[in-house]
Amino acid sequence: DIVMTQSPDSLAVSLGERATITCKSSQTVINPSNNKNYLAWYQQKPGQPPKLLIYWASTRKSGVPDRFSGSGSGTDFTLTISSLQAEDVAVYYCHQYNNVPRTFGQGTKLEIK
Amino acid sequence: EVQLEESGGGLVQPGGSLRLSCTAAGLTFGNSWMTWVRQAPGKGLEWLAMIKEDGSEIYYLSSVRGRFTISRDNAKNSLFLEMSSLRPEDTAIYYCATGWASHDYWGQGTLVTVSS
Repeated sequence: DIVMTQSPDSLAVSLGERATITCKSSQTVINPSNNKNYLAWYQQKPGQPPKLLIYWASTRKSGVPDRFSGSGSGTDFTLTISSLQAEDVAVYYCHQYNNVPRTFGQGTKLEIK
Repeated sequence: EVQLEESGGGLVQPGGSLRLSCTAAGLTFGNSWMTWVRQAPGKGLEWLAMIKEDGSEIYYLSSVRGRFTISRDNAKNSLFLEMSSLRPEDTAIYYCATGWASHDYWGQGTLVTVSS
């Protein structure tokens, strides 16, 4: 199974500042059939299901604010929130869909400093 | 608007069984891979199983294979998860979600509690 490891486990950032979450996979999530990174990012607020933010490592889902961006390739990925807003307080998960079983990172809790 | 609604959760004794359902609206259900994901209280997300559009391909997490069965009824826009030999560690919110790859849409989840 591919192990997804996020860091940090929790993060406190001031409003308007940049937040950066990293995700490392135990093996590559690049699919050789199309050279795409099979990696997504989700946001989960308390009492709600996860919400898809980013897929193919860097494609923002329609309707997601452009302050959210994803980058990386192979085994190392980053989710960046360029200017933190109060509504971004949540837990963020990375997710690989290159292999079965699909696996998620352990989550990163983002708070306001 | 895509809507997924899970049902069937509740309190069950260890060793017991439960059948979860997920009813979909606002999408062409028969054209969508579907997935079950769970979340234990205060914990992270755990992928459980997924099923192809026509049910011809099914994949499971190893720890639930043989105890859980995913199925679907495209005529009723419904996804199911049959769970047996339940253990206290199966206590979680169970979500259905669309997609073979990333999961665009999720239900609100149904809580399963395994306890005596």
